[in-house]
Amino acid sequence: AQSVTQLGSHVSVSEGALVLLRCNYSSSVPPYLFWYVQYPNQGLQLLLKYTTGATLVKGINGFEAEFKKSETSFHLTKPSAHMSDAAEYFCAVNFGGTSYGKLTFGQGTILTVHP
Amino acid sequence: DTGVSQDPRHKITKRGQNVTFRCDPISEHNRLYWYRQTLGQGPEFLTYFQNEAQLEKSRLLSDRFSAERPKGSFSTLEIQRTEQGDSAMYLCASSLDGAFNQPQHFGDGTRLSIL
Repeated sequence: AQSVTQLGSHVSVSEGALVLLRCNYSSSVPPYLFWYVQYPNQGLQLLLKYTTGATLVKGINGFEAEFKKSETSFHLTKPSAHMSDAAEYFCAVNFGGTSYGKLTFGQGTILTVHP
Repeated sequence: DTGVSQDPRHKITKRGQNVTFRCDPISEHNRLYWYRQTLGQGPEFLTYFQNEAQLEKSRLLSDRFSAERPKGSFSTLEIQRTEQGDSAMYLCASSLDGAFNQPQHFGDGTRLSIL
């Protein structure tokens, strides 16, 4: 079955430290991959997407993600965390085919940034 | 681009009552999606519209749920005879026509609480 797994429901980092949020998917064909961020009581904001082409994708707010087909992964990174990065992050996948573009989401990772 | 708008932001109702939510997508977006998000989980797909046609419904969408997009613009989601388990955030998203790698843009959601 097609699925999305985010390893670690909570990640805590110090301000200025590297942020690494993990996402793996299960699919026999390369899907379309997205990362979204959600602040409390708000909807989801697109951070970045991978569709085709370069496997290292840059997004907003200094985030980037690398698509690794062999590992079926799409991990999100940011070199230096800022207090304003504290939020919940969701990896989302469009598995294509007859899915009509619907997204399948991971369970989310709550990022806490300590001063 | 005024973004995806959802109304109301919050709805509190007694079990057994009917509720209706509205979503206004970004004006040039032909595709519209509804998702449901429960506490601590990622959003789950409910249904999808291409213009006014409802093309896919999740098995999560029981017969108490109905969605419409009568003129291919705004959409409504109605829940009849609400149950405790319906308490969740209901998110609407829209995207451009074309390939299904178009990112979905989300509204801020309607939070439903069943007393």
